Amino acid sequence: QSVLTQPPSAFGTPGQSVTISCSGTNSNVGRDNVYWYQQLPGTAPKLLIYNDNRRPSGVPDRFSGSKSGTSASLDIRGLQSEDEADYYCAAWDGSLGGYVFGTGTMVIVL
Amino acid sequence: EVQLVESGGGLVQPGGSLRLSCAASGFILKNYWMHWVRQVPGKGLVWVARMNKDGSRTDHADSVRGRFTISRDNAKNTLYLQMNSLRADDAALYYCVKDFVGTEEFWGQGILVTVSS
Repeated sequence: QSVLTQPPSAFGTPGQSVTISCSGTNSNVGRDNVYWYQQLPGTAPKLLIYNDNRRPSGVPDRFSGSKSGTSASLDIRGLQSEDEADYYCAAWDGSLGGYVFGTGTMVIVL
Repeated sequence: EVQLVESGGGLVQPGGSLRLSCAASGFILKNYWMHWVRQVPGKGLVWVARMNKDGSRTDHADSVRGRFTISRDNAKNTLYLQMNSLRADDAALYYCVKDFVGTEEFWGQGILVTVSS
């Protein structure tokens, strides 16, 4: 059911940067806003980025989003151990008439 | 304090029905779009349905359209998800979400639905 494609995992050491990609189509990423979520183990997802590159209040500026065409990216700078989590992108899909999520990326801090 | 408390989950046989409820407190339900999102434990997130503020508009995911219905009772500050003709692949943790993808987004703790004979 996932329409947006993400890499299954991403690795980094503390202090490094990690980039997670999200590939979609002109029906979703290419035409509407992209959102990014962080899900820590055993908890509900938390909105990290909205409207492609905006951060909700309280989200550290180490997290940033960008988009180009039908692809979006989440960058995590200065990786910390507490960033170890699953990350999902999401967007409205005009063809399906609903929101779609990415396949999810597990970030592992080595 | 904003709270969303889901209830109504449990074990149901294939083909059966369940109605999930989401009791909202700490905010005025009628001021927000409300959504349901589900997740099979250990798997990815799937958006299920949404309803606008006054209940005049709904959207449902293809996978549940015609079987699930989202509704709300703003007077009772409660959101619902009526689930009919349940299938094994509907088994998941169902989250009630306020203002999904918005700056005031808030998720409930989720309620587990198991579909098995």
